[in-house]
Amino acid sequence: DAGVIQSPRHEVTEMGQEVTLRCKPISGHDYLFWYRQTMMRGLELLIYFNNNVPIDDSGMPEDRFSAKMPNASFSTLKIQPSEPRDSAVYFCASSPKGDEQFFGPGTRLTVL
Amino acid sequence: KQEVTQIPAALSVPEGENLVLNCSFTDSAIYNLQWFRQDPGKGLTSLLLIQSSQREQTSGRLNASLDKSSGRSTLYIAASQPGDSATYLCAVSSWSGGYNKLIFGAGTRLAVHP
Repeated sequence: DAGVIQSPRHEVTEMGQEVTLRCKPISGHDYLFWYRQTMMRGLELLIYFNNNVPIDDSGMPEDRFSAKMPNASFSTLKIQPSEPRDSAVYFCASSPKGDEQFFGPGTRLTVL
Repeated sequence: KQEVTQIPAALSVPEGENLVLNCSFTDSAIYNLQWFRQDPGKGLTSLLLIQSSQREQTSGRLNASLDKSSGRSTLYIAASQPGDSATYLCAVSSWSGGYNKLIFGAGTRLAVHP
């Protein structure tokens, strides 16, 4: 298995632009998580899905953030409009039964 | 509210030393505890997972212990090597809403020099 796949690996955009981050979880995993990592706040859970259904989005910082999981093999995290304070590394993780989590390589987002 | 603290924040040692990384958590009602490794610019790699009913787990030169009652875990690295240089993250989980919500510590940044 290739593990969790994220794209793009790096994204540089200008303030106000829409940003879409993509994730392909490990096949057969029922849970998918989106995290954000910054120097100031460390790793924070943004949202998680169980069987493609969003369960807990309490970590999503603002309405500018949205996440979807149209099928078991694909999820997106969208920021619209983006702001400089959104600059961070965004990780996607998946888990077979909600216990051990396996992380992707992350997307480093820079908003100018 | 669960809080996870890792000490020390950074560690620099010569090759060959045995190391101890510490993790403490405020709420002992955890489901499991996971140790991760993060290399610069990379994602997290799961090293060891200790269930709440377990006392320790071992993988190669790594040994993680868990004392739930005192809210502590330690990661032992035997005979450290330069390739061990990375940030080590501790995460505790609580079963909430049908899944394990992971709360991460800030990490210990380890440098092993030849």
